[in-house]
Amino acid sequence: QVQLQESGPGVVKPSQTLSLTCTVSGDSVRTGSYFWSWIRQPAGKGLEWIGRMFSSGRTDYSPSLKSRVSISIDTPNNQFSLKLSSVTAADTAVYYCARGSTWFGEDFWGQGALVIVSS
Amino acid sequence: DIQMTQSPSSLSASLGDRVTITCRASQNIDAYVNWYQQRPGKAPNLLIYATSSLQSGVPSRFSGSGSGTDFTLSISSLQPEDFATYYCQQTYTPPFAFGPGTRVDVK
Repeated sequence: QVQLQESGPGVVKPSQTLSLTCTVSGDSVRTGSYFWSWIRQPAGKGLEWIGRMFSSGRTDYSPSLKSRVSISIDTPNNQFSLKLSSVTAADTAVYYCARGSTWFGEDFWGQGALVIVSS
Repeated sequence: DIQMTQSPSSLSASLGDRVTITCRASQNIDAYVNWYQQRPGKAPNLLIYATSSLQSGVPSRFSGSGSGTDFTLSISSLQPEDFATYYCQQTYTPPFAFGPGTRVDVK
């Protein structure tokens, strides 16, 4: 069974960089069959797709976040990571990592990590 | 970017009711629509992928249909565990936008 688990600081100061890691088990981030995504959800609001990365290194990001976001893959540790720079209170949300495919959707998700932007 | 809309934004229903949720894309997305269920405090759970394919382990009372720009999710007979929020998502071209969600609660 594929499992994903987010980890990282729960509180980030304004203007700093949010960093989260997703550890994958039951599959390899090196697979060419899937991509690895980040999605976020502010409290009481809907889902916002942040971006994805393939093991090849190809990335796609939401245009609204593209100037501040970076996703990378750490194949030796079977992890992938999210960095979001220059955060503000509007970046406070639950951040999810997921495994995805254009045809099969985002089929496995982590439990989510709450990140609060506050001084 | 492709925008996704859903209707209604919320609905109230009773156990055993048939429920239908509509999703519309701002342009043709072929069959690249997925549906997710999210219960409070939990991660979204994939129900339907590629418009009408049932994800493994999902009860058969869930079904999806549509093509092009208009899609629907149906629940044939609402069960207690189905009271939740439902999201559609397009995976035709990035960014893979989600719809704003439809909350299903108890009448």
